[in-house]
Amino acid sequence: KQEVTQIPAALSVPEGENLVLNCSFTDSAIYNLQWFRQDPGKGLTSLLLIQSSQREQTSGRLNASLDKSSGRSTLYIAASQPGDSATYLCAGEYSGAGSYQLTFGKGTKLSVIP
Amino acid sequence: GAGVSQSPRYKVAKRGQDVALRCDPISGHVSLFWYQQALGQGPEFLTYFQNEAQLDKSGLPSDRFFAERPEGSVSTLKIQRTQQEDSAVYLCASSSGQGYIDEQFFGPGTRLTVL
Repeated sequence: KQEVTQIPAALSVPEGENLVLNCSFTDSAIYNLQWFRQDPGKGLTSLLLIQSSQREQTSGRLNASLDKSSGRSTLYIAASQPGDSATYLCAGEYSGAGSYQLTFGKGTKLSVIP
Repeated sequence: GAGVSQSPRYKVAKRGQDVALRCDPISGHVSLFWYQQALGQGPEFLTYFQNEAQLDKSGLPSDRFFAERPEGSVSTLKIQRTQQEDSAVYLCASSSGQGYIDEQFFGPGTRLTVL
């Protein structure tokens, strides 16, 4: 069974700081790696998707990397803002019994202090 | 519509009641997924549809859970004889293609509370 782990579970940083969120996965047979943001009481907003053949993706202040050989992905957030406060989830897409399904970590709760 | 929509947003049920949760995927999306998210946990896969065909139901926790997508668009997740352990947020996602490398887009979820 695939497992996805996110460390730390919670992180608090002052506004303006650069930060890195970590994600590790046990099964390297991953098709892609997707990072999501979840605000309290809301659904998931897709941030970045990295295909297994890629090593990184960038969108604005966000940069995500993927290293299949080590089973790790990182999400880098530059110049953090209070509006970045949310829970960040990573998910690996794997082939299942009849579908390509996402296996999620438990998330990292980020608080950016003004 | 512009995104995935789900209804109701909140549902309170007494133990033993049946509930039905609705998902409207993004128009034209072939694939539809249901996930269950317990408090403080990441979402867990329940079931997958490709058009109207339910190709994977390996994540459904018991035979009290049933999902359908009869016309290949709107989907309903039904839970019979609800139990307290069914309390969770139920998320629906859709994607445009039939295979991998397809970005999944999520709805806002339905928060189910079983008393």
